[in-house]
Amino acid sequence: EAAVTQSPRNKVAVTGGKVTLSCNQTNNHNNMYWYRQDTGHGLRLIHYSYGAGSTEKGDIPDGYKASRPSQENFSLILELATPSQTSVYFCASGGGGLDTQYFGPGTRLLVL
Amino acid sequence: GMPVEQNPPALSLYEGADSGLRCNFSTTMKSVQWFQQNHRGRLITLFYLAQGTKENGRLKSTFNSKERYSTLHIKDAQLEDSGTYFCAALITGNTRKLIFGLGTTLQVQP
Repeated sequence: EAAVTQSPRNKVAVTGGKVTLSCNQTNNHNNMYWYRQDTGHGLRLIHYSYGAGSTEKGDIPDGYKASRPSQENFSLILELATPSQTSVYFCASGGGGLDTQYFGPGTRLLVL
Repeated sequence: GMPVEQNPPALSLYEGADSGLRCNFSTTMKSVQWFQQNHRGRLITLFYLAQGTKENGRLKSTFNSKERYSTLHIKDAQLEDSGTYFCAALITGNTRKLIFGLGTTLQVQP
């Protein structure tokens, strides 16, 4: 199974501060995704990427940027964090004909 | 309505019982994945189906794209089956992405 790691696992940030969440995958998948999970909403797609250098907007991209500097790494950037961005963030990778996605362990972000 | 409707929202079972979870889709989906989210919050892939039925131990899943539904059946429920189960359907077109249901929270009691 694909190995997807995320850092940090927990983060406390202040309103207006910059937050960067990092994701690394070691199975050479082309596609990577960032989701957030909130009670009552399930998992929602923020940004995704089809490969190094590409980023695409998902369903809820406002307030977030993404960066894919390499095949292995995909970052989610909150330039000006707000309390509404308090959530659990999941990174996933996938690719090939099956389109199966494999998820990282998640990052808990608290914005005060 | 929601593209992926998952039922029931919550379920309580005694050890040894059998039960089923269901996802209905508002449109034709290419494939479905089922996940279990454990007490640590980790999402574990249970099944990926493009069609038909798959079994793995006490779990069985079916996906009927034409009828727009998928099911997950749990047989002989165990305490470690407790958690939240999500289905996620793949839509295609301009964007290939997973659409998640809201989950079924399962509690297995001794």
